[in-house]
Amino acid sequence: GAGVSQSPSNKVTEKGKDVELRCDPISGHTALYWYRQSLGQGLEFLIYFQGNSAPDKSGLPSDRFSAERTGGSVSTLTIQRTQQEDSAVYLCASSLGARGYTFGSGTRLTVV
Amino acid sequence: GIQVEQSPPDLILQEGANSTLRCNFSDSVNNLQWFHQNPWGQLINLFYIPSGTKQNGRLSATTVATERYSLLYISSSQTTDSGVYFCALRNTPLVFGKGTRLSVIA
Repeated sequence: GAGVSQSPSNKVTEKGKDVELRCDPISGHTALYWYRQSLGQGLEFLIYFQGNSAPDKSGLPSDRFSAERTGGSVSTLTIQRTQQEDSAVYLCASSLGARGYTFGSGTRLTVV
Repeated sequence: GIQVEQSPPDLILQEGANSTLRCNFSDSVNNLQWFHQNPWGQLINLFYIPSGTKQNGRLSATTVATERYSLLYISSSQTTDSGVYFCALRNTPLVFGKGTRLSVIA
């Protein structure tokens, strides 16, 4: 596609439920990144995929967070047993190489 | 890990004024980028500038890698420049500063 697409744009969930967030990167971009942005804060790195290499999971805050990227394209970020502190905007970006990051519009997650 | 510090944290400008945003970093730079996040949350890549100076319209950026800082200049600011400006560096993944929140008032 022309840009990075994320869905849903907004998600409200009850504490303890699981959620899945989707990212559809720019076609041909080999790298895909997930970041989290809490209200008024900077971007916190979560996970990074590059081609067929093992993902860099060093930013995942707990084992409740996981992500996969199927066929080198679409990625899903899963948060199990959501907590209120998980409330944030989850941003996905893709790039071809180290430069030229393109971000999606994000998914605003609210855990009530 | 690498530290990225941005200043000022907040800035209010009258439309038409100029401003300079600063990014200091603690490690050698092999990739530095500036982003603008508009009030609706969309992040736009402004510059890829590991060294030297680049200009794009009213915006320009300079990185002095040996002294570990980068500057973003905004000239003749407009209300549409409002938002948060982030610098970020390192290759994979990018490490972001906390940003400078800019409000341009008419």
